[in-house]
Amino acid sequence: AQKVTQAQTEISVVEKEDVTLDCVYETRDTTYYLFWYKQPPSGELVFLIRRNSFDEQNEISGRYSWNFQKSTSSFNFTITASQVVDSAVYFCALSEDNTGNQFYFGTGTSLTVIP
Amino acid sequence: DAGVIQSPRHEVTEMGQEVTLRCKPISGHNSLFWYRQTMMRGLELLIYFNNNVPIDDSGMPEDRFSAKMPNASFSTLKIQPSEPRDSAVYFCASRMDTSSGNTIYFGEGSWLTVV
Repeated sequence: AQKVTQAQTEISVVEKEDVTLDCVYETRDTTYYLFWYKQPPSGELVFLIRRNSFDEQNEISGRYSWNFQKSTSSFNFTITASQVVDSAVYFCALSEDNTGNQFYFGTGTSLTVIP
Repeated sequence: DAGVIQSPRHEVTEMGQEVTLRCKPISGHNSLFWYRQTMMRGLELLIYFNNNVPIDDSGMPEDRFSAKMPNASFSTLKIQPSEPRDSAVYFCASRMDTSSGNTIYFGEGSWLTVV
């Protein structure tokens, strides 16, 4: 079974629209960590955010915001007023306390922002 | 501070040739990961080192693949002999392994094409 599910394979939006990337995870651990990474067309994987399972407070960083809901096992990522530079593949990942060496990555969501 | 450094960035080689990919982790990080990314399989963990010792190599596809970490600042991933199906982006990543929740930081990747 997939530990991290990103159901949206590809999304296209017009510049300045808001877009939400979904991430659903599965774990039996009470202590775990969730991450988002960005992979722009240049190919590198860039760390965006890390949350632990005890901190459900939503986070905002500029145009980016993250909504962590344990009740639905989701860690969704919203980009407000999208820009062309946001075009990338975005990966959600899970790290569990008892399998600390393993990062479980989702399959990624490819976002295209159309000018 | 320098990030994870990988070389070469791009390599094109003929089937049957030996390929060596190199990685310098972030200074002070004691865990190192090799990942492979393909369109078909996404991001796959190949091997994980902790304090220079291979901990989990269950993701190494077959005996043609080998990885070493002779010291804390250097690791290699070798493919011998290479095959066209090995064409992929190979990422090295490192982490300060005081907690499973610590962030993994990726290098820019080595883009391998085997013809």
